[in-house]
Formats: sequence, structure tokens, C-alpha cells
Amino acid sequence: QKEVEQDPGPLSVPEGAIVSLNCTYSNSAFQYFMWYRQYSRKGPELLMYTYSSGNKEDGRFTAQVDKSSKYISLFIRDSQPSDSATYLCAMSARDSNYQLIWGAGTKLIIKP
Amino acid sequence: KAGVTQTPRYLIKTRGQQVTLSCSPISGHRSVSWYQQTPGQGLQFLFEYFSETQRNKGNFPGRFSGRQFSNSRSEMNVSTLELGDSALYLCASKSTNTGELFFGEGSRLTVL
Repeated sequence: QKEVEQDPGPLSVPEGAIVSLNCTYSNSAFQYFMWYRQYSRKGPELLMYTYSSGNKEDGRFTAQVDKSSKYISLFIRDSQPSDSATYLCAMSARDSNYQLIWGAGTKLIIKP
Repeated sequence: KAGVTQTPRYLIKTRGQQVTLSCSPISGHRSVSWYQQTPGQGLQFLFEYFSETQRNKGNFPGRFSGRQFSNSRSEMNVSTLELGDSALYLCASKSTNTGELFFGEGSRLTVL
């Protein structure tokens, strides 16, 4: 079993829909949680960063961490075709020298 | 400010050959990490270099090696290539101030 599980998709939704992307993990020591976005033929770029449990909002994006369930989510409101990309979750812990552990990535397609 | 530059962007090799990939980090960044990305396994950490020293290493065979120069530029080498080494190899430099990873566009290696 992988330390971080993420459904690879693809997930296809119509423009304007609310998108929910999720990751589950097994290591309770993870404290830092990140979402990266990767467009085709590009490297990943940091989208959201959260420490420990709770919510964080940035424009149309909301990151949510539930440490008790070992579950993190990324919500995208009013989705746009330009949001079409692969979304990767990543997480780290102090006791593993903050080495990032990655999910496989979910391919998201927003249909106009 | 120039981003992370990786060369070459695309290359084709045959089994048994070796390959060297190059990465120039963002100016001022001293940490460089290398990742292998494949559709099945996602992002897999190879190694991290900081000030010319390998700081962390992933779970890859000894055929994968790297180094960092005094100007923070880094190279990775894969010897005795296998078909399974076909992947996108990503380099990331880390901001000293924020710890954020900035990725290059990757070098796509195809092994025939």
C-alpha cells in the first residue's frame, strides 16, 4: 500500500462546477500538506500549502485537511477550462526530514 | 527572474546506454532535487543536493547518480539504461526562505 493514495482520474466536469479532489494517507506524522498543479508538458507548481488540520482558502481554491481521518481535499469553485491540469497532493513530516511524499496525481478536465 | 532550466528537454536512448541530464536552479537557490515521473508510479524522489553534498536519497538503484557543482547547477546520470527508465525527469530547486519547490519543465527520456 502506498503512503499517499490519489485517484488518477480522469475527472471530467462541466465549466462552472465545483470540483473536489482528494488524497488519503497512512502516516499520521505528516504535518505539511501541499497541492501542486501540473499543466501538460510543464513541471508542477505549488497551488496551496497547509500546516496541520483545518481549511485554507485562496480565491476559488480551498484546501482542507482532516488529520483524524488522514484525508485531504482541494475544492475548486466556479471551475474554468484553464483549470484543466493534473493535480498532485504532497505531504511531509519533520521526523523524515520534510521529505515530500507524493500522490499519483488526478487528471482534471473542465469541459466548456 | 529565470526559472529552473533543464536540458535536454527530450531524448531517445537504447537499452544499455547511459544518459546525463542537466539542471540549472533559480539563482540563489542552493538545494536541487531530482524526481522521476511516470504514469503508473507518479512522482518518485531520486535525490537532493545542497551545497554540493547529497542530503537525501530515494529508493533507486545505484545506476542513478547525481552531483552538484559549486554554482549549484546539478546533473544526474543513469547508466545501463533499461526500458523501465523511460520517464519524465524533473528537477526542482528549493527557496531558502520559504522552502517552496520550483520545478523545471523536465527532461523526457525514452529508452528503446
